[in-house]
Amino acid sequence: DIQVTQSPSSLSASVGDRVTITCRASQSISDFLNWYQQKPGKAPKLLIYGASSLESGVPSRFSGSGSGTDFTLTVSNLQPEDFATYYCQQSHSTPRYTFGQGTKVE
Amino acid sequence: QVQLQQSGPGLVKPSQTLSLTCAISGDSVSSNSVAWNWIRQSPSTGLEWLGRTYYRSKWYIDYAVSLKSRITINADTSRNQFSLQLNSVTPEDTAVYYCLRERGGCKGCMDVWGQGTTLIVSS
Repeated sequence: DIQVTQSPSSLSASVGDRVTITCRASQSISDFLNWYQQKPGKAPKLLIYGASSLESGVPSRFSGSGSGTDFTLTVSNLQPEDFATYYCQQSHSTPRYTFGQGTKVE
Repeated sequence: QVQLQQSGPGLVKPSQTLSLTCAISGDSVSSNSVAWNWIRQSPSTGLEWLGRTYYRSKWYIDYAVSLKSRITINADTSRNQFSLQLNSVTPEDTAVYYCLRERGGCKGCMDVWGQGTTLIVSS
């Protein structure tokens, strides 16, 4: 299976900061990379699909980039509601989807 | 909008069978542009894909290799829902289980999730 590794596992940030989370795949996955946000006790929420497409209803301060093996999720102007855990998911090896281990923004 | 409502027990004894159901509103289990998945999440294993079912002129089902001998996913068109059965559970199956929709045309993205069911395997 394709492995995806996120970094960092956690980060400390403040309101208004620009936050960057990276995800590296164990082999090339083109742009088959999705990003999710999860808050405690809730299901993950889709933010970005296809590496860089913003899901409908998601604020434009969220953006994604990358292709091949290296991907980035950026949150510009961090808001109080953005403190959460973020996950990447590779969907190249359909249907053997795999997720990163998560990055907690606190 | 599309909503998924999960139902099923939260406590199962070791060696017994877990059964969960996911009722769909706002979409059809027979839609030919989506797939219906199960994922679980635990502190030890993180988010783990379990399997999916989808309809493309006929029904297809995929399972995670690690669970293939123990898992069954079915669609019930009369009730517009799909289900998960996991046999011979062990404490390692303790996790939060989610049903979710995989939307077509978005590179395998999961855009609608159920509320989650916390399963504890314990005697």
